[in-house]
Amino acid sequence: GAGVSQSPSNKVTEKGKDVELRCDPISGHTALYWYRQRLGQGLEFLIYFQGNSAPDKSGLPSDRFSAERTGESVSTLTIQRTQQEDSAVYLCASSLGFPPLQYEQYFGPGTRLTVT
Amino acid sequence: GNSVTQMEGPVTLSEEAFLTINCTYTATGYPSLFWYVQYPGEGLQLLLKATKADDKGSNKGFEATYRKETTSFHLEKGSVQVSDSAVYFCALRGGSGNTGKLIFGQGTTLQVKP
Repeated sequence: GAGVSQSPSNKVTEKGKDVELRCDPISGHTALYWYRQRLGQGLEFLIYFQGNSAPDKSGLPSDRFSAERTGESVSTLTIQRTQQEDSAVYLCASSLGFPPLQYEQYFGPGTRLTVT
Repeated sequence: GNSVTQMEGPVTLSEEAFLTINCTYTATGYPSLFWYVQYPGEGLQLLLKATKADDKGSNKGFEATYRKETTSFHLEKGSVQVSDSAVYFCALRGGSGNTGKLIFGQGTTLQVKP
């Protein structure tokens, strides 16, 4: 079956521009997570959605970062006024349900963002 | 807060050598522990997990035992293959938080030479 998909796979943008990254979770998965992987580092949690609500936004690094989810499906991560330190691979993961601790997370292939 | 520390790489081994990648954690409560693997050009995938103390997770010849007394979850394999070359991430979930977010170590690159 279809896994988690993300688009674009690669994005190069100039410093100061806004970017939108998209995640399509596995159909029926109510939980959705965004993570960031900077070069040579582990993954950092950004935000968690349960349905269309985001009960945990604690990992968003600044107010330039925002995310939304609609229809308990697609999610968009938006970075405004991009900076070079935003360069990273942005990974999305989804899991089946609630409570979130009981379900495995399935990861997408990621979007590689390069800010020049 | 919760955190994961794993040994720095890269780790380079010859085929059929024994592998250990160390992982220790700091957490309140009773987290679940995971090893994820990222093969070249592929997405992150779950390798094995353990949900309580003394549990052993195993998959594809890899094993790791949840040791609460030493707060460790070391990954081992008795005989590595070239196809095991990848980046390995130790992670935890739960403990004092309950949103299901994973907290990862920095990753260890394994290169296996024929």
